[in-house]
Amino acid sequence: QQQVKQSPQSLIVQKGGISIINCAYENTAFDYFPWYQQFPGKGPALLIAIRPDVSEKKEGRFTISFNKSAKQFSLHIMDSQPGDSATYFCAASVDSNYQLIWGAGTKLIIKP
Amino acid sequence: KAGVTQTPRYLIKTRGQQVTLSCSPISGHRSVSWYQQTPGQGLQFLFEYFSETQRNKGNFPGRFSGRQFSNSRSEMNVSTLELGDSALYLCASSPSHGNTIYFGEGSWLTVV
Repeated sequence: QQQVKQSPQSLIVQKGGISIINCAYENTAFDYFPWYQQFPGKGPALLIAIRPDVSEKKEGRFTISFNKSAKQFSLHIMDSQPGDSATYFCAASVDSNYQLIWGAGTKLIIKP
Repeated sequence: KAGVTQTPRYLIKTRGQQVTLSCSPISGHRSVSWYQQTPGQGLQFLFEYFSETQRNKGNFPGRFSGRQFSNSRSEMNVSTLELGDSALYLCASSPSHGNTIYFGEGSWLTVV
């Protein structure tokens, strides 16, 4: 019930392509869904987040798509660049609980 | 505004010893949480403190403990170190309300 399942575990995309990472959850009480980006040797940093009252949120080349009925949300990186190579984590929480439940992470490699 | 500061950044300890890691949150943030990250692994939640009280706890043995001071600074302690405790320990802070957390760069612990 509390799990967030993230896939794929790793992903290789050509420069200029679209990177897609998916997450699924069971707890319908979750109401906050962030994505974090982590570069080697650094702590994760908030990339983009969405709440279930919208189906899509875009910030530059990064888009979160949210499907409430399927209990899934995904991160799309358009025009992927080598600098996007990092590990991406999805997470979910219940607003009143403050504790984030994390996906296992996706290591993304963008080939030049 | 200064980010989350963790000290020390790198340390090497011997099996059986204990270690204390320190975290200074972003100014004004009252919640501090700790995570363990092993190479290629996801983020394993250790515990979260808010206003000097442990609010949430992950599934780690009692050798892992923490505390928060009145100025919101936090420390975590690991006693009787084992080789498997070698990891990146991340601290994150957040405001009193809301779910966005901000990570420090972590403390790399190697147990030999």
